Amino acid sequence: AQKITQTQPGMFVQEKEAVTLDCTYDTSDPSYGLFWYKQPSSGEMIFLIYQGSYDQQNATEGRYSLNFQKARKSANLVISASQLGDSAMYFCAMREGGIKAAGNKLTFGGGTRVLVKP
Amino acid sequence: DVKVTQSSRYLVKRTGEKVFLECVQDMDHENMFWYRQDPGLGLRLIYFSYDVKMKEKGDIPEGYSVSREKKERFSLILESASTNQTSMYLCASSMTGGNQPQHFGDGTRLSIL
Repeated sequence: AQKITQTQPGMFVQEKEAVTLDCTYDTSDPSYGLFWYKQPSSGEMIFLIYQGSYDQQNATEGRYSLNFQKARKSANLVISASQLGDSAMYFCAMREGGIKAAGNKLTFGGGTRVLVKP
Repeated sequence: DVKVTQSSRYLVKRTGEKVFLECVQDMDHENMFWYRQDPGLGLRLIYFSYDVKMKEKGDIPEGYSVSREKKERFSLILESASTNQTSMYLCASSMTGGNQPQHFGDGTRLSIL
């Protein structure tokens, strides 16, 4: 079974509107972390936001927020007030094991391509 | 800012060649990673290292090896390149600590002819 599933291969969003990118995960480990990355067409991977499995509140970073629903094993990224520069691939990733787990290795989803229309 | 530098942005090699991809980070990070990225498959972990001279297999290590002789440098080696290793290769580094993000290089687009 896929550990990280991003069901939306691509989507359009109107500039200044909000967009939600879906991410579901599968783990039996009680301690894990979820990351979102942005990859513009230039290719670099940019870290956006992190949510730990024991965090009580949903993570927020500027226009990015994470809708974390632990029971549903979902960690959807919400981008508010979309800008043209938000056009990119977005990847959800999971780290299993406690915060001291050696290596911090991540498992990535297949990604969602977002195109912001003016 | 963290800087992860990959030696080549684009590389073209021939089948059967031994190929070296180099990665250097300047933030004294303990952990380093090599991924390959293919359309629709996201990033898949090839190898990672959590200390000098330490290496661990990722999800797709077959056909690859790695070397980490110094903390700042992590090399990916294709022992005998094959056409199915044509891909984008991304290097990353991170501090130890589960909430620490990985920082990525710009990637090497490798074509095996």
